[in-house]
Amino acid sequence: GAVVSQHPSWVICKSGTSVKIECRSLDFQATTMFWYRQFPKQSLMLMATSNEGSKATYEQGVEKDKFLINHASLTLSTLTVTSAHPEDSSFYICSAKQGGRGALLGYGYTFGSGTRLTVV
Amino acid sequence: TQLLEQSPQFLSIQEGENLTVYCNSSSVFSSLQWYRQEPGEGPVLLVTVVTGGEVKKLKRLTFQFGDARKDSSLHITAAQPGDTGLYLCGTTSGTYKYIFGTGTRLKVLA
Repeated sequence: GAVVSQHPSWVICKSGTSVKIECRSLDFQATTMFWYRQFPKQSLMLMATSNEGSKATYEQGVEKDKFLINHASLTLSTLTVTSAHPEDSSFYICSAKQGGRGALLGYGYTFGSGTRLTVV
Repeated sequence: TQLLEQSPQFLSIQEGENLTVYCNSSSVFSSLQWYRQEPGEGPVLLVTVVTGGEVKKLKRLTFQFGDARKDSSLHITAAQPGDTGLYLCGTTSGTYKYIFGTGTRLKVLA
């Protein structure tokens, strides 16, 4: 089956530094990837939709200058948290969408295992 | 923007009890997925429902899609501690987005 690899699984960084999280589709090409943020005991909130070769589409309230998304190839999207602060500490999850009509019905969305970011 | 409301938000029950989790929307779903997520991991797909009135069973889990495709339910029979987790409904929103419900945290006590 389709596999999405997300790295790192956890990271601790100092306040003011930047952190990059990678999301790779291992055995399929993903023209669209999604980035979610999840606070403890809460659901996944969509941050942005990443399209290969074009700018990401950010959800309302998400700072695009703080959360830089790059989708340079059909198998890789990266999320960079710039000038991280303790309030950016969260669980970040990516998802890759396989193409085809099934995607319109919710099929073919594969999720990474998440990245726990702690900013100290 | 389509919103998915889940209820209850939190449920703590004894092993062997039954429970139902609901997912509701103001809009019609094209389809709906149910997931279970454990701490520190990504969500794992349980089922997809597409047709109004559809009922699917997965061992002790029964999923139902409302006739009008605006609501869905997940019923667990004889819950076990291994069922503990965050249950999420999800759906496509528009052509390219995928969104999740507000989530239901289930804790099954031995």
